Amino acid sequence: AQSVTQPDIHITVSEGASLELRCNYSYGATPYLFWYVQSPGQGLQLLLKYFSGDTLVQGIKGFEAEFKRSQSSFNLRKPSVHWSDAAEYFCAVVPSGGYNKLIFGAGTRLAVHP
Amino acid sequence: GAVVSQHPSWVICKSGTSVKIECRSLDFQATTMFWYRQFPKQSLMLMATSNEGSKATYEQGVEKDKFLINHASLTLSTLTVTSAHPEDSSFYICSASPRGGYEQYFGPGTRLTVT
Repeated sequence: AQSVTQPDIHITVSEGASLELRCNYSYGATPYLFWYVQSPGQGLQLLLKYFSGDTLVQGIKGFEAEFKRSQSSFNLRKPSVHWSDAAEYFCAVVPSGGYNKLIFGAGTRLAVHP
Repeated sequence: GAVVSQHPSWVICKSGTSVKIECRSLDFQATTMFWYRQFPKQSLMLMATSNEGSKATYEQGVEKDKFLINHASLTLSTLTVTSAHPEDSSFYICSASPRGGYEQYFGPGTRLTVT
């Protein structure tokens, strides 16, 4: 079945530590890929996106993501986490031919220890 | 750029009344707008997709007569929850896509509480 999987429901890291949030998708053709962040009680903010080209994508707030076709993954990374990064992170895809319709993963809640 | 607003940010209404939520793209033209519902600690559930000047396309299981969507212009879409009941209490989020774009820009959400 076509799906987007975020294997980690909760992740806790210390401030200043590195971060990697995992995302896998199962679609026949490579979809368009996105990472969004949601602070409590807020809407979603687009961190970065991948359509084609360079597989390492730079986003806002110091985040980057790497597309790996062989692993059907689009993991989000940040070298040094700040306390303000505590939020819910959603991986999402627009399947090829999906008419802009976003399919979301379940989300990963990030907690940051001081 | 790519700012989407929603109004109101929160609303409390009595059971049986109707509530209208507005979604506006402030600095771009949105040919497509989307309405989502989000339950606590869960992901977003797409309710419907609307294109300017066309009828909305509802996802399976979403009552189109209960959740009325109007995409009257390239910058405004409205969601009206008719005859609201407590089970309609939720966080409603809209998003908008610019012409030719695949990314969606999200509004800040509207917290609806039906008493």
